[in-house]
Amino acid sequence: DMKVTQMPRYLIKRMGENVLLECGQDMSHETMYWYRQDPGLGLQLIYISYDVDSNSEGDIPKGYRVSRKKREHFSLILDSAKTNQTSVYFCASSYRGRDSDYTFGSGTRLLVI
Amino acid sequence: GDKVKQSPSALSLQEGTNSALRCNFSIAATTVQWFLQNPRGSLMNLFYLVPGTKENGRLKSAFDSKESYSTLHIRDAQLEDSGTYFCAAEIPGTGSNRLTFGKGTKFSLIP
Repeated sequence: DMKVTQMPRYLIKRMGENVLLECGQDMSHETMYWYRQDPGLGLQLIYISYDVDSNSEGDIPKGYRVSRKKREHFSLILDSAKTNQTSVYFCASSYRGRDSDYTFGSGTRLLVI
Repeated sequence: GDKVKQSPSALSLQEGTNSALRCNFSIAATTVQWFLQNPRGSLMNLFYLVPGTKENGRLKSAFDSKESYSTLHIRDAQLEDSGTYFCAAEIPGTGSNRLTFGKGTKFSLIP
């Protein structure tokens, strides 16, 4: 069953704590993405990864960093979380080039208090 | 301004009716994808389009790159069609495979 798996589904952190969101895919997709979704703002791209150790900033990278050491795994790290990083975070993956339809994970709801 | 504009922002219809959602692009797009976010929050890919038309069951989508728009038609709407529909476009110059999303159309069915 081809899918994108995100862990954890729900997370509560205190301001200033470090946060690690994990994403895995079993489709050998080269490209992976991290988005956040906020009411009224739609989906905003945080980072994109074209393959192992080949990462590029998206539209809102400030306050985030990523790690991709294996093709099937892409992590989003928040160093010293802020309350305005409370959001729903989605990971997605796709083939690179043509027929690059996205497959999304189920999302992680992060609350920073 | 928004590069990808969806209309309407919300739509409420009775079961069994037909509807059309639209996505306009302010600059040229090369590919378009349509997604449904169901009430539980999961995002499902409905269509990946290069210029042209695709059909899947009661759903049909078209992408006209010259006129810079895409449409999603829902025929005989059912309760499981409820949710928010997003279109997203791949725009040259923004990066390979990188999508720009619209803000969505919230679609509700009245039984």
